[in-house]
Amino acid sequence: QKEVEQNSGPLSVPEGAIASLNCTYSDRGSQSFFWYRQYSGKSPELIMFIYSNGDKEDGRFTAQLNKASQYVSLLIRDSQPSDSATYLCAVNPAANTGFQKLVFGTGTRLLVSP
Amino acid sequence: DAGVIQSPRHEVTEMGQEVTLRCKPISGHDYLFWYRQTMMRGLELLIYFNNNVPIDDSGMPEDRFSAKMPNASFSTLKIQPSEPRDSAVYFCASSFARGGLSSYNEQFFGPGTRLTVL
Repeated sequence: QKEVEQNSGPLSVPEGAIASLNCTYSDRGSQSFFWYRQYSGKSPELIMFIYSNGDKEDGRFTAQLNKASQYVSLLIRDSQPSDSATYLCAVNPAANTGFQKLVFGTGTRLLVSP
Repeated sequence: DAGVIQSPRHEVTEMGQEVTLRCKPISGHDYLFWYRQTMMRGLELLIYFNNNVPIDDSGMPEDRFSAKMPNASFSTLKIQPSEPRDSAVYFCASSFARGGLSSYNEQFFGPGTRLTVL
């Protein structure tokens, strides 16, 4: 079992719709969770992070965390063609590995059609 | 700030040759990370440094890989000898840890080095 699992996609949504990206992780002691966006041929950039169970909203983006189910998701409202990218879920493992280490999933490719 | 700087941006070499990738982190950042990204395995952490000291090198695939950070503004990742399976994009990232319970801070990635080993 991979430490962080994501569906590779592509996930196709029409412009204006809600895109829902999902991620599961295996280490129950994981402390914090991140979503990075990576455009084709570019480097990853941080979109959101979340530490506590529940929802965290930032503009059109909402991160959701359920530690009991070991599940984290990213919702993108009013999807735009410019949101088309690969979204990487990353997890900071158990505390004794240090707060700086991240384990990444392989990413979900999102395609937003005009 | 110029961001994280990596060189070269592209490297094509033949199997058996030595390859050296270079990274200059953002000034003032105290953590530096080396990642490798492939389609099959995604983004994998190879090694990371804190204040120039290697903290975790458990991701380094084998003895052919080595990394150094001689000072706060420069790091190298060396592959000797290189093999075709080393072909990937290698990213360097840096961050600044402010401390405290939520001490994770954003990792800023460089543009990457695309390595092709023939």
